[in-house]
Amino acid sequence: QQQVKQSPQSLIVQKGGISIINCAYENTAFDYFPWYQQFPGKGPALLIAIRPDVSEKKEGRFTISFNKSAKQFSLHIMDSQPGDSATYFCAASQTSGSRLTFGEGTQLTVNP
Amino acid sequence: DTEVTQTPKHLVMGMTNKKSLKCEQHMGHRAMYWYKQKAKKPPELMFVYSYEKLSINESVPSRFSPECPNSSLLNLHLHALQPEDSALYLCASSLEGGLSDTQYFGPGTRLTVL
Repeated sequence: QQQVKQSPQSLIVQKGGISIINCAYENTAFDYFPWYQQFPGKGPALLIAIRPDVSEKKEGRFTISFNKSAKQFSLHIMDSQPGDSATYFCAASQTSGSRLTFGEGTQLTVNP
Repeated sequence: DTEVTQTPKHLVMGMTNKKSLKCEQHMGHRAMYWYKQKAKKPPELMFVYSYEKLSINESVPSRFSPECPNSSLLNLHLHALQPEDSALYLCASSLEGGLSDTQYFGPGTRLTVL
């Protein structure tokens, strides 16, 4: 019930391409969905987040799409760059607590 | 400034040692967190402090002992650790620990237990 399932585990994209990472959740009480980006040797950094009252949120090259009925959300990275190579974690939390439930992570490699 | 600092960056300790990890933030945040992260895995929540009081303990073994001396500092005291406790230990902070609070992570302490 508390799980967030993330796919794919790893992703290789050419420079300029679109990277797509998907997450699915079971707990309908989740209502905050952030994405974190983590570079090797660094802590995770918030990239973008969405609430269920909107179906899409865009910040620069990064877009979250949210499908409440399917309990799925995804991260799209447009015009992917080698500097985007990192591990991406989706996460979810609910109003009543401060716990973040993380997905298993996606290691993105953008080839030049 | 959205910086969370952690010291030391790396720590190697034996199973009989006692050591401490330190975390500091000056963003006025009142919620602070300890996470453990194994290689290629997501962070796992260990402890949450809210307004300097321990609010969440995720059934962490007693060989890990958190302490929040004041609203800017968070310590994790380590004693009699096991090799499987080797991991990246991350500290994070957020405004008040509520739903919409962004958690800001530090760079972590890479811990190796011999």
